[in-house]
Amino acid sequence: AQSVTQPDIHITVSEGASLELRCNYSYGATPYLFWYVQSPGQGLQLLLKYFSGDTLVQGIKGFEAEFKRSQSSFNLRKPSVHWSDAAEYFCAVAPPGEYGNKLVFGAGTILRVKS
Amino acid sequence: DAGVIQSPRHEVTEMGQEVTLRCKPISGHDYLFWYRQTMMRGLELLIYFNNNVPIDDSGMPEDRFSAKMPNASFSTLKIQPSEPRDSAVYFCASSLGTQETQYFGPGTRLLVL
Repeated sequence: AQSVTQPDIHITVSEGASLELRCNYSYGATPYLFWYVQSPGQGLQLLLKYFSGDTLVQGIKGFEAEFKRSQSSFNLRKPSVHWSDAAEYFCAVAPPGEYGNKLVFGAGTILRVKS
Repeated sequence: DAGVIQSPRHEVTEMGQEVTLRCKPISGHDYLFWYRQTMMRGLELLIYFNNNVPIDDSGMPEDRFSAKMPNASFSTLKIQPSEPRDSAVYFCASSLGTQETQYFGPGTRLLVL
């Protein structure tokens, strides 16, 4: 079945430490890929997206993600986490043929940052 | 720009009542999306519009749910009659076009008692 998996429900990192949030997808062809962040009580904000081309994508707030076709993964990274990064992070895909419109979201990963 | 505007922000109602959620997309955006977020099912797309026309409503859970977009600056999501399992946060989002970023509103938190 087609799906988006975020294996980690919760992650805790120390402020200043590096971060990697995992995302795997299961589709027959490479979908469009997205990472969103949701702060408590807020809507979602797009961090970055991948449609094609360079597999290392730079986003806002110092985040980047790398698309690995062989692993069907699109992991989100940040070299040094700030306390303000505490939020819930969602990986999303738009299945092939949906032109980035029909987003399917993973279950989310809650990031806690300890000082 | 004010961003996507949703009203009300919170709604508490009793089972069987009609609920209407409202959304004003960002001016100039041609696409409008309605999502629902619950603990059990996560974030799921209900329906989306292009130029006020519904394009895909396959995510609408059942006939109790309906959505309209009478003009480019307003959309409603209606639940009639409401049930406790409809309790969720409902998000509206809009985008400029295909492959463009979807901008989300703050959501409406619905509680059906």
